[in-house]
Amino acid sequence: QVQLQQSGPGLVKPSQTLSLTCAISGDSVSSNSAAWNWIRQSPSRGLEWLGRTYYRSKWYSDYAVSVKSRITINSDTSKNQFSLQLNSVTPEDTAVYYCARDASGGPLFDHWGQGTLVIVSS
Amino acid sequence: QSVLTQPPSASATPGQRVTLSCSGSSSNIGSNYIYWYQQLPGTAPKLLIYRNNQRPSGVPDRFSGSKSGTSASLAISGLRSEDEADYYCTTWNDSLSGWVFGGGTKLTVL
Repeated sequence: QVQLQQSGPGLVKPSQTLSLTCAISGDSVSSNSAAWNWIRQSPSRGLEWLGRTYYRSKWYSDYAVSVKSRITINSDTSKNQFSLQLNSVTPEDTAVYYCARDASGGPLFDHWGQGTLVIVSS
Repeated sequence: QSVLTQPPSASATPGQRVTLSCSGSSSNIGSNYIYWYQQLPGTAPKLLIYRNNQRPSGVPDRFSGSKSGTSASLAISGLRSEDEADYYCTTWNDSLSGWVFGGGTKLTVL
């Protein structure tokens, strides 16, 4: 049973860095048949895919064009988790952030974290 | 403005069949699989359909998906009150090199 457990602050000041972590159980962050994603949801932007990381003999990361200059998604194999860093946040980045698994080639986003509401405000 | 277009709302009565649409272009739906999600209030989206018409284990066969050209549909038959939710489509967009979502359809069961 795959489970994703998110952690991180719910309040970030403008211009600072948003950091969230997603701990994986029941699967491996370095699985050759999965990709690990961050998705956010806000009333103004709807559901928005932010990016992913995955291992295929080496590590890869892909990012959405909208956040490409500000985002980093990393993996930590020792803790079996992956993380999101979004720099230079503004109030427009206020959203519920989700981590999700993509069972590559099969079900997409078949397991999700519980979601973290991140508010960008001073 | 979402890359994929979904009607913002739909409604039907219990027992009816309802079809939700998702429209895109040749760079997304036209050349890639479509996926459908159900989101109940306060919860994460749940995968309903993958690869156009496949149901994950545990999803009732009342839910079915189809795709034709640059459009896709999610059909729900034998509508039940617990089907009242938001429904989202998603697919890969070749020109953006990323996953894109529709704006969602809020389904009301009257």
